[in-house]
Amino acid sequence: TQTVSQSDAHVTVFEGDSVELRCNYSYGGSIYLSWYIQHHGRGLQFLLKYYSGNPVVQGVNGFEAEFSKSDSSFHLRKASVHWSDSAVYFCAVSANNNNRIFFGDGTQLVVKP
Amino acid sequence: EAAVTQSPRSKVAVTGGKVTLSCHQTNNHDYMYWYRQDTGHGLRLIHYSYVADSTEKGDIPDGYKASRPSQENFSLILELASLSQTAVYFCASSDRGKDQDTQYFGPGTRLLVL
Repeated sequence: TQTVSQSDAHVTVFEGDSVELRCNYSYGGSIYLSWYIQHHGRGLQFLLKYYSGNPVVQGVNGFEAEFSKSDSSFHLRKASVHWSDSAVYFCAVSANNNNRIFFGDGTQLVVKP
Repeated sequence: EAAVTQSPRSKVAVTGGKVTLSCHQTNNHDYMYWYRQDTGHGLRLIHYSYVADSTEKGDIPDGYKASRPSQENFSLILELASLSQTAVYFCASSDRGKDQDTQYFGPGTRLLVL
């Protein structure tokens, strides 16, 4: 069974700061790793995913994530955040042979002006 | 325009009553899902479906039924609503094949059981 751990429940930064949201996973086989964003009162929206190849994947709005097999991690980063990036971010993992996704508990990002 | 819609967007139900949550997708996706989200937590899978007229149990199916009468529609049914089923419910869809792990979510239904 896949598991996903997001160690930070809340992260607060100022506009223009860089940010890294942490995600660690547990699974022995080939997996897909994804990040989703949930703005207040809305459904989740897909941001980016990794399966193979370049360990750094680019998403929308300047987000990127880096896969590390040695650390079992898939951290999300942004170089300069905007107030509109305030949301809850979910890391997710799925095995490459099925459509089931397992979500972490989420990290609430607050961007102060 | 929204590809996954849910109705109602919010509902207040009484304990022991029947609740039906509806989901409609225009993505032409084969797979559909129902999740619940409790405050401060991630999503937990209740039921899902690969094809019309067939449903599968997820991780927390107890107290819930699902119905997939067509490719576009997927309902979640609470036959006897309980206080513990107060949550936000999300429907999602995904395609088959290499993108089956990318899910598209509806806006959610906020259910309060009193």
